[in-house]
Amino acid sequence: QQPVQSPQAVILREGEDAVINCSSSKALYSVHWYRQKHGEAPVFLMILLKGGEQKGHDKISASFNEKKQQSSLYLTASQLSYSGTYFCGTPGGGADGLTFGKGTHLIIQP
Amino acid sequence: GAVVSQHPSRVICKSGTSVKIECRSLDFQATTMFWYRQFPKKSLMLMATSNEGSKATYEQGVEKDKFLINHASLTLSTLTVTSAHPEDSSFYICSAIVSWATNEKLFFGSGTQLSVL
Repeated sequence: QQPVQSPQAVILREGEDAVINCSSSKALYSVHWYRQKHGEAPVFLMILLKGGEQKGHDKISASFNEKKQQSSLYLTASQLSYSGTYFCGTPGGGADGLTFGKGTHLIIQP
Repeated sequence: GAVVSQHPSRVICKSGTSVKIECRSLDFQATTMFWYRQFPKKSLMLMATSNEGSKATYEQGVEKDKFLINHASLTLSTLTVTSAHPEDSSFYICSAIVSWATNEKLFFGSGTQLSVL
């Protein structure tokens, strides 16, 4: 079952914050976050496994709610390099294959 | 860190021909690799799970006779698009899973842009 991402697209000015949400109707084993720039392969950002977990590095962090049905990705003081499409992925496709949400397009303007 | 190499990066072929895409894990062994397909501005759609030494597991709706997957070694998986047609034009990306402790993450190849004329 494909996770639901929101919003579909965000346009920010450099330095502003963004939140991207990923939700499922069922409890998830884990949530992966990836960023993909145009024409490039997705790049792993982080994985969350435990309900209530929060983790991050630099100014990108994520949370996983207690029921493990929703995860949010937080981009703080956004930089131009943050532009791209963000995907959340959840197990359920094939043998450990991830099913990805439709993606959130993030555009950072100077 | 782990690197997944995918080749070719771009291929243009005539309708009816077959195209082979290679995916290699460069500094680790990958018993399982995944093949995804991505249309412009769309999400990654899992096509199949490639298992070393055994048959691939295909997702619902993916034609196994059209998208042949071979995983002959721990470092190489290939996807062959047989009798390609224009509707097969897409961005194909392979990935391999790396697990440590209870964590895991996917490393993606750089992708192959297939254009069928």
